[in-house]
Amino acid sequence: DIQMTQSPSSLSASVGARVTITCRASQHISNYLAWYQQKPGKAPKLLIYAASILQSGVPSRFTVSGSGTDFTLTISSLQPEDVATYYCQNYNSAPLTFGGGTKVEIK
Amino acid sequence: EVQLLESGGGLVQPGGSLRLSCSASGFTFNTFAMSWVRQAPGKGLEWVSIISGGGDATYYTDSVKGRLTISRDNFKNTLYLQMNTLRAEDTAIYYCAKSRGGAVRDGLHIWGQGTMVTVSS
Repeated sequence: DIQMTQSPSSLSASVGARVTITCRASQHISNYLAWYQQKPGKAPKLLIYAASILQSGVPSRFTVSGSGTDFTLTISSLQPEDVATYYCQNYNSAPLTFGGGTKVEIK
Repeated sequence: EVQLLESGGGLVQPGGSLRLSCSASGFTFNTFAMSWVRQAPGKGLEWVSIISGGGDATYYTDSVKGRLTISRDNFKNTLYLQMNTLRAEDTAIYYCAKSRGGAVRDGLHIWGQGTMVTVSS
């Protein structure tokens, strides 16, 4: 099974700060990677698919990079509404594993 | 509007059974793969199972194989998760989710609000 490792597990940053989350797959998954945002008490929301394509409506301050085994999600200017837990997910092969999540808070 | 509505959650004793349902509307149900994803209290997301649009392909995470069964009724636009031999570690919110496309290899585009399953004596 492919393991997905996210880091950090949590972070706290000021409004306007640049925030980067990394996700590493234990095997090559090409670009079969998605990112999700989950706000407290809510269902997850798809942010990015195919490693680099922003879902419709996702603000442009969210940028992504990577392919193969190493991926990053960057929020260029952190906003209060970005407070959430972010998850990456492999969908190259079953089981379609999620990373452990990164909780983003405002300092 | 695309909507997914889960039901069937509740309190069940260890070793018991439960069937979750996910009623879909607003899209052509039989052309999209569907998943179940769960989240234990205070924990992260765990993918459970996926079924192709036609229902001919299913996949499971190892911890549920042989106990949980995913199925769908494309005439009723409904996804199911039959849960047998339940364990305390199956306690979680169960979300159904629609894939972006018909293939199982795709992101999970639309999510339901979730239904809580508690396994306890």
